[in-house]
Amino acid sequence: QQQVKQSPQSLIVQKGGISIINCAYENTAFDYFPWYQQFPGKGPALLIAIRPDVSEKKEGRFTISFNKSAKQFSLHIMDSQPGDSATYFCAATYSGNTPLVFGKGTRLSVIA
Amino acid sequence: GAVVSQHPSWVICKSGTSVKIECRSLDFQATTMFWYRQFPKQSLMLMATSNEGSKATYEQGVEKDKFLINHASLTLSTLTVTSAHPEDSSFYICSAINRLAGGYNEQFFGPGTRLTVL
Repeated sequence: QQQVKQSPQSLIVQKGGISIINCAYENTAFDYFPWYQQFPGKGPALLIAIRPDVSEKKEGRFTISFNKSAKQFSLHIMDSQPGDSATYFCAATYSGNTPLVFGKGTRLSVIA
Repeated sequence: GAVVSQHPSWVICKSGTSVKIECRSLDFQATTMFWYRQFPKQSLMLMATSNEGSKATYEQGVEKDKFLINHASLTLSTLTVTSAHPEDSSFYICSAINRLAGGYNEQFFGPGTRLTVL
């Protein structure tokens, strides 16, 4: 019940295309859903996050779509660029001091 | 966003020695920090929760006597790998909770420490 399932495991997108990564969770108590971007040899960087009171959040080229009834959320990267090539992790947690539950990650490659 | 630093960024040590890794929240106070371990091409594995002024809470399977955690101040948590062995070689990452207005929290990660035990 604590799992967050992330797909796909890897993704190749043409430059300028849309990258879509999906996550699903079981625990309905989760109320904070961040996405992290990680480059090799670096720590994860908070990219964008959403709470279940909204269905979509957009920051620049990054959009989170959230479906509370389906217990799913996804990251959309518009106009994908080679610099977006990284590993993306979705996560979920409760408000408070509880640790994040991470998905297994998606390795995104944006090719020119 | 809030900044979390780690020191050192990489360390190489001989088997049997101890290594201390520092995690600092630079522009906010963090009563709670987390320590993760990450193997190549894998997700982050939570090792322990570090609470300021109290004992750390370790995840199942993590040896508390081997991975000593001290959270002595609101901006500093340390992880000491005691009697390190080659199998302890990994990428260690800390994170800190930044409390936002409205009771919400955001978690920010340090840049990680690459430990290699020879």
